[in-house]
Amino acid sequence: QVQLVQSGAEVKKPGASVKISCKASGYTFTTYLIHWVRQAPGQGLEWMGIINPSDGTARYAQKLKGRVTMTRDTSTNTAYIELSSLRSEDTAIYYCAREGPQQFRFDPWGQGVPVTVSS
Amino acid sequence: EIVLTQSPGTLSLSPGESATLSCRASQSVSSTYLAWYQQKPGQAPRLLIYGASSRATGIPDRFGGSGSGTDFTLTISRLEPEDFAVYYCQQYGGSPPQYTFGQGTKLEIK
Repeated sequence: QVQLVQSGAEVKKPGASVKISCKASGYTFTTYLIHWVRQAPGQGLEWMGIINPSDGTARYAQKLKGRVTMTRDTSTNTAYIELSSLRSEDTAIYYCAREGPQQFRFDPWGQGVPVTVSS
Repeated sequence: EIVLTQSPGTLSLSPGESATLSCRASQSVSSTYLAWYQQKPGQAPRLLIYGASSRATGIPDRFGGSGSGTDFTLTISRLEPEDFAVYYCQQYGGSPPQYTFGQGTKLEIK
């Protein structure tokens, strides 16, 4: 079945970087887009950006431009997000999610990765 | 950026009752680009409705979506205990096109 399995929890200090993975299985990786969405504690969902695994092109939320990089490795069917210059406000659960061609919706989602930024 | 405003913030109902959740957009949204998700504590969101009114795979017909333009509604009939969760609407659009979520409606047991 279609699955997105993400890497484990992270604890980082302010100013550091974090890189999270999202391994896809059960479908052709390059046919579907991968989104990244985060959720701060007790808060709603924030869209961070999207990557096309077929050609590696990515588009980021304006708020995060300059700090976020999305990449992929087609040999392992894995997408990555790296967030730099971490601050306490980046403490959140980070999800990856799949979007089909011209579907404009997220299905399914990865299990989420808690990232804590604390000194 | 298109802002989605969900109401009410919290809805308290009993099992067996029906729930009506609202999602209002700051600009017109194509129905094609409007989706609803359910999120339970400690879990990732799950797609319920896409294209404003189409149920995702495996979603019971107690869940229904409707609306157009700037006003969309998620209706849940005959509430089951497992339906009590947080619900989010999501859209794609605006200029430049962005994906945005509403702030969520918490459906709690009365």
